[in-house]
Amino acid sequence: AQSVTQLDSHVSVSEGTPVLLRCNYSSSYSPSLFWYVQHPNKGLQLLLKYTSAATLVKGINGFEAEFKKSETSFHLTKPSAHMSDAAEYFCVVLDSSYKLIFGSGTRLLVRP
Amino acid sequence: EPEVTQTPSHQVTQMGQEVILRCVPISNHLYFYWYRQILGQKVEFLVSFYNNEISEKSEIFDDQFSVERPDGSNFTLKIRSTKLEDSAMYFCASSEPFSNEQFFGPGTRLTVL
Repeated sequence: AQSVTQLDSHVSVSEGTPVLLRCNYSSSYSPSLFWYVQHPNKGLQLLLKYTSAATLVKGINGFEAEFKKSETSFHLTKPSAHMSDAAEYFCVVLDSSYKLIFGSGTRLLVRP
Repeated sequence: EPEVTQTPSHQVTQMGQEVILRCVPISNHLYFYWYRQILGQKVEFLVSFYNNEISEKSEIFDDQFSVERPDGSNFTLKIRSTKLEDSAMYFCASSEPFSNEQFFGPGTRLTVL
């Protein structure tokens, strides 16, 4: 069965510094992986997706993620955090029946 | 840009009452989903729906739950007799056939008192 593990429940960074949100996956085949963002009292917005094409995936708002099969990781990064990036981030894997399996989420706090 | 919409945004109900949560998926999508997120917990799959029948359902989706596509645009989730533990944010999503990308609505926050 597919699963994802988000290694940090909370990450705090200063504005203008890099962001790293960590995610490890478990899958018996080449997975489709996603990062979703949820701002307070808002819905789920797709940031980026990996579907076995390029291993470095660029998303919206300057975010990117790198698929590393050898490490079973799909970490989300951004070179410079902005106050508006403060939100909950979910690493997600698509299972064989096309349902999404969510990680437990990482809350990103951006300090001024 | 087309989007998934959900109504109401917030529903408050008494325990034991029936509620219907409504969703309008993106018009050319054929796969529909419900997920829920209990406060402070991860988002969980409830059910998927295709061709007017349930494709898959989770253990959470017991006999108290049902889904329906009553017309060409709406997709509904009914909870027949709500329990306190049904309080959660319910998200609807839709996708094109055999697509790996699902588009989410803004959610309905259900509060059961």
